[in-house]
Amino acid sequence: EVQLVQSGAEVKKPGESLKISCKGSGYSFTSHWIGWVRQMPGKGLEWMGIISPGDSDTRYSPSFQGQVTISADKSIDTAYLQWRSLKASDTAIYYCAKLLSSYNYFDSWGQGTLVTVSS
Amino acid sequence: QSVLTQPPSVSGAPGQRVTISCTGSSSNIGAGYHVHWYRQVPGTAPKLLISTNNNRPLGVPDRFSGSKSGTSTSLTITGLQAEDEADYYCQSFDSTLSGSGVFGTGTKVTVL
Repeated sequence: EVQLVQSGAEVKKPGESLKISCKGSGYSFTSHWIGWVRQMPGKGLEWMGIISPGDSDTRYSPSFQGQVTISADKSIDTAYLQWRSLKASDTAIYYCAKLLSSYNYFDSWGQGTLVTVSS
Repeated sequence: QSVLTQPPSVSGAPGQRVTISCTGSSSNIGAGYHVHWYRQVPGTAPKLLISTNNNRPLGVPDRFSGSKSGTSTSLTITGLQAEDEADYYCQSFDSTLSGSGVFGTGTKVTVL
């Protein structure tokens, strides 16, 4: 069974750094791109970017380029989403999801990580 | 601001048919990129509902169907049930977004 298990909820202050994780199991982690999706409170889904864990090739949505860093460690089947300096507007639920790259859709999703940024 | 536009809400009585539109442009749906649909029950993660325009993953009832025409696509729910109350999102790719994917604005389905 394919599973994506994300790290737990975080509460941070503006300006702090953060790295959240997404561990895949039940499939060949390096064979499928992993994506990150943001959902701000009460709002819709936003495509942030995707990474190929096999070679760390990364594609960012223009809205998120330079704002976050997506990375992966194939030795432990884990993808990451990282911020250097959080803002209050980064408060959201972040989902990782496995991309079926032949048709570019997400066929499995993590449970989501709630990030709260507040002074 | 998403490049795929959906109506904010649709509603129907149990047993009725409802249709959710997803309108794009020549750089996404009109360029031939496949469209996929996800369902999200509030408080839970999204789940794939329809892939590649009109293919249902295992376990998705045939009450759900997709269609595509030009720069638009639609999700139709026939025989609406109370459990269908959720948020629905379309998703495609857009050639103007550095090869990035894009979600629709989302539609809340209410069962009256």
